[in-house]
Amino acid sequence: EIVLTQSPGTLSLSPGERATLSCRASQSVSTKYLAWYQQKPGQAPRLLIYGASSRATGIPDRFSGSGSGTDFTLTISRLEPEDFAVYYCQQYGNAPLTFGGGTKVEIK
Amino acid sequence: EVQLLESGGGLVQPGGSLRLSCAASGFTFRNYAMSWVRQTPGKGLEWVSSISVSGGNTYYPDSVKGRFIISRDNSKNTLYLQMDSLRAEDTAVYYCAKRPGEIVSGAFDIWGQGTMVTVSS
Repeated sequence: EIVLTQSPGTLSLSPGERATLSCRASQSVSTKYLAWYQQKPGQAPRLLIYGASSRATGIPDRFSGSGSGTDFTLTISRLEPEDFAVYYCQQYGNAPLTFGGGTKVEIK
Repeated sequence: EVQLLESGGGLVQPGGSLRLSCAASGFTFRNYAMSWVRQTPGKGLEWVSSISVSGGNTYYPDSVKGRFIISRDNSKNTLYLQMDSLRAEDTAVYYCAKRPGEIVSGAFDIWGQGTMVTVSS
């Protein structure tokens, strides 16, 4: 099983700042089968990024993903008020599919 | 509008059974693989099962294999999860989620709002 470790656990930033979230895998993720999701309180997760770097439909271009192998990054270039949420990475290249523990982006 | 609506959650005793349903609308259900994912405060998000477009291929992690069965009725645009021999650690919000294509691969591009399952005596 591929274990995904996200860091930091919590990121305290102000609107307009840049957010950099990390996701490290215990072994190489096949063919960049890495996704990022956003979850707000009381809501289901929403797909932001798939294939490590492709934005899902309707996702603003301030969200970008990068990385390969075992190290992946989600970057939010300029935080908007609606971006404060919890973010999860997920690998879907190897069974069982696994998720990271999440990074909470909170308002400083 | 693409929508997934889960139902069937509730309180059940350990060892009991529950059947979840997920009604799909706004897309051609029979053309997409589907999955169930659950979320707990303690363990976070956990993939529970996946099913191919025909229903002929199903997949489970070891934690639920032999106890849960995923199925689908393409004539009713509905996904199901039969959960038997339930344990306290199965307590979670259960989401159904759509895959982006016919094959059982890809990220979860659409999620339902979730249904709560509580296993307790």
